[in-house]
Amino acid sequence: GAVVSQHPSWVICKSGTSVKIECRSLDFQATTMFWYRQFPKQSLMLMATSNEGSKATYEQGVEKDKFLINHASLTLSTLTVTSAHPEDSSFYICSAREYSGRARETQYFGPGTRLLVL
Amino acid sequence: ILNVEQSPQSLHVQEGDSTNFTCSFPSSNFYALHWYRWETAKSPEALFVMTLNGDEKKKGRISATLNTKEGYSYLYIKGSQPEDSATYLCAPSSGYSTLTFGKGTMLLVSP
Repeated sequence: GAVVSQHPSWVICKSGTSVKIECRSLDFQATTMFWYRQFPKQSLMLMATSNEGSKATYEQGVEKDKFLINHASLTLSTLTVTSAHPEDSSFYICSAREYSGRARETQYFGPGTRLLVL
Repeated sequence: ILNVEQSPQSLHVQEGDSTNFTCSFPSSNFYALHWYRWETAKSPEALFVMTLNGDEKKKGRISATLNTKEGYSYLYIKGSQPEDSATYLCAPSSGYSTLTFGKGTMLLVSP
């Protein structure tokens, strides 16, 4: 149980285009979903937290107009990288938690999406 | 943002060896600590969630301990196997909702 899928796993795009990444909880309802980014040799860095039906809460330094997050249902969250530039090239990974506001609950991760912007 | 340190950065052991690594974090305002195992090209897999000082958790050959007063957790693997090769991540939380991840310890177990 507790499977999270993420699509696509790889994306290469031209600078200036927008890229949408989907994160789905397959066998549970995810009240809260998280989006992380990882640069080479660095740790997973939280970008934003989204609760179903609410606006996402972005971490300091993350541009909300650049990284659009939608969590319209209990099983799906999307991250759209708008007008992507080479510096947005990174590994993006989502996680989902069944309950909101409880850091003792396990976050279940997707397999991640590697984005390369040319 | 918490300062989370994991050591060593990487580790190479032979099959059958037992090994351990460390996660250090600020002891103030501790709420919970998560351990994950992350194999290449797969999703990070949750191993343990630990909350109380002195907590010990075990899952097969893997176990973990927690010291919240001094701000560290140990992960132990007994009799390492090649399939244990992965990056092990710890993620403490000082608050109600979010985790802060360390850079991980990359373990390679050679047959």
